Amino acid sequence: AQSVSQHNHHVILSEAASLELGCNYSYGGTVNLFWYVQYPGQHLQLLLKYFSGDPLVKGIKGFEAEFIKSKFSFNLRKPSVQWSDTAEYFCAFLGMGRRALTFGSGTRLQVQP
Amino acid sequence: DGGITQSPKYLFRKEGQNVTLSCEQNLNHDAMYWYRQDPGQGLRLIYYSQIVNDFQKGDIAEGYSVSREKKESFPLTVTSAQKNPTAFYLCASSISSAGPETQYFGPGTRLLVL
Repeated sequence: AQSVSQHNHHVILSEAASLELGCNYSYGGTVNLFWYVQYPGQHLQLLLKYFSGDPLVKGIKGFEAEFIKSKFSFNLRKPSVQWSDTAEYFCAFLGMGRRALTFGSGTRLQVQP
Repeated sequence: DGGITQSPKYLFRKEGQNVTLSCEQNLNHDAMYWYRQDPGQGLRLIYYSQIVNDFQKGDIAEGYSVSREKKESFPLTVTSAQKNPTAFYLCASSISSAGPETQYFGPGTRLLVL
């Protein structure tokens, strides 16, 4: 079965700290990968996506993610977090033959000023 | 102003009652989706529709029903058969489901059982 694992359920950082959120998927074929963010009281919105090409993708608000096929990973990074990055982050992927996204359980990020 | 709207924002259900959650999009997207969000479990797919008058069960379809009579509308009914309906329900749409299209999400409906 297709699945996504996000190992960090709750992360607390101070402002200016670096961030890396782990995401691993289980699927042997071609995948399309996404990171979504849900700010408090707001819609789930797309941070970045990988379909093909350069495995290092850049998204909004200074976020980036690297697709490492050999590790089945798509970790999210940001060099210096801000208080406004406090949100829940979801990794998701779309495997071949599936018409909808498979989501991870989410990581709640709390940035302390 | 294009987007996805969901109503109501909060919905209360009594035991044995069916309730319907509304989802409307004016993005001219072919595909629409319903997800359920529970704390610590991420989003799980309930139903999706690739085109009008067609829909498919997702991973947790039991106790739910949908219809897709219009391109812009994809209502979800939570039936009395759904024994644990308390959750946050998210509707999404994409241009199509035939390829790696980005899904856009609505603001959600929180369903609570009285």
